[in-house]
Amino acid sequence: QKEVEQNSGPLSVPEGAIASLNCTYSDRGSQSFFWYRQYSGKSPELIMSIYSNGDKEDGRFTAQLNKASQYVSLLIRDSQPSDSATYLCAVITSGAGSYQLTFGKGTKLSVIP
Amino acid sequence: DADVTQTPRNRITKTGKRIMLECSQTKGHDRMYWYRQDPGLGLRLIYYSFDVKDINKGEISDGYSVSRQAQAKFSLSLESAIPNQTALYFCATSDSRGSYEQYFGPGTRLTVT
Repeated sequence: QKEVEQNSGPLSVPEGAIASLNCTYSDRGSQSFFWYRQYSGKSPELIMSIYSNGDKEDGRFTAQLNKASQYVSLLIRDSQPSDSATYLCAVITSGAGSYQLTFGKGTKLSVIP
Repeated sequence: DADVTQTPRNRITKTGKRIMLECSQTKGHDRMYWYRQDPGLGLRLIYYSFDVKDINKGEISDGYSVSRQAQAKFSLSLESAIPNQTALYFCATSDSRGSYEQYFGPGTRLTVT
């Protein structure tokens, strides 16, 4: 079974610090990777997508991908209390001629003022 | 207006009742999905549809059925609800011409007593 693994947390960081969220995946053929943010009781919101090895930056967010190590991470710079949420890593996995988005169980981030 | 809408937003029903959850989208996407989310288990795919004539089972389809009435509408039915179907249900959409990114509706909180 194709898996996406994340530390459940909670990860606590002080306001203004860098939060580092990590994810590993088992399907070596995966090509597309996503980070979603989910506030309690709300729906997942897409914040980053990455398809190539290396870094991709968007504002305070940087996604990092290393396909050889089957590892994807999300860095949040200058963390704010409003960043407190659960972050879901999602990976496109293939099988039976179709492509599906497989989610990790999420890492809960708490930014302390 | 929201691009992906779900009705109802909250529902309490009794064991054995039939219930339908509805999803509509104005994004023009051709692909639609139903997920459920349980604490500690993450998001799990129930059914997905790549176009009006295409319906596919996901990871946990037992006890559920779906109908794709039009490109913009995708309904999920619980034929005979049971308490372990109590969960948060999300509809999502994606564009086959795009990059596999999925966009979620606001969710339906379903309680089966």
